[in-house]
Amino acid sequence: QSALTQPASVSGSPGQSITISCTGTSSDVGSYNLVSWYQQYPGKAPKVLIYEVAKRPSGTSNRFSGSKSGNTASLTISGLQAEDEADYYCCSYAGSSTLVFGGGTKLTVL
Amino acid sequence: QLQLQESGPGLVKPSETLSLTCTVSGGSITSTTYYWGWIRQPPGKGLEWIGTIYYSGRTYHNPSLKSRVTISVDTYTNQFSLGLSSVTAADTAVYYCARVPGSDWLDYWGQGTLVTVSS
Repeated sequence: QSALTQPASVSGSPGQSITISCTGTSSDVGSYNLVSWYQQYPGKAPKVLIYEVAKRPSGTSNRFSGSKSGNTASLTISGLQAEDEADYYCCSYAGSSTLVFGGGTKLTVL
Repeated sequence: QLQLQESGPGLVKPSETLSLTCTVSGGSITSTTYYWGWIRQPPGKGLEWIGTIYYSGRTYHNPSLKSRVTISVDTYTNQFSLGLSSVTAADTAVYYCARVPGSDWLDYWGQGTLVTVSS
């Protein structure tokens, strides 16, 4: 079970849109529509933004959206705001009730 | 409002067993809809899923940690616990407990507790 691959960092200016990719394999991301995304501020617990690829829990801004193609899932943040500067993690179901996380992506709002 | 709170020693000696408990309040750990999980994050690094338990006691573990991990549930106290044996400095991390709807995502998290492995 290897960690999913995310870019170490991405950046964007306020108002722009950015996309964070999350690449797995045919044993995890590619096999299940069960990818979730988490936002984490320094010193805080992660907070779920997206589950089951594209579903938003109540309370998640519609500026956050998720998608998947093949073995790669993506998180898009539109209308970037300063408060979006944080670390983002993807997570995929990997069969037999196991989960695997991505390595995390640091988002910088310029 | 559901809340989860981790508790346990903040310092563990190498080769000993790390033991943590997660207390669930504002909801029942016996709900058939949810699993309960442990996740850790070494300082400055990413998240790692440790394992998940259902109220019945059925457990699922990260294959890389499986032989050292024990997860249990106590439905009377609404708690679930983590044991990690033969710890080394590499096990130093913030340990989180979380609720797992349908076994595939984590909706409520505890605040996390830092466990340092050092003599």
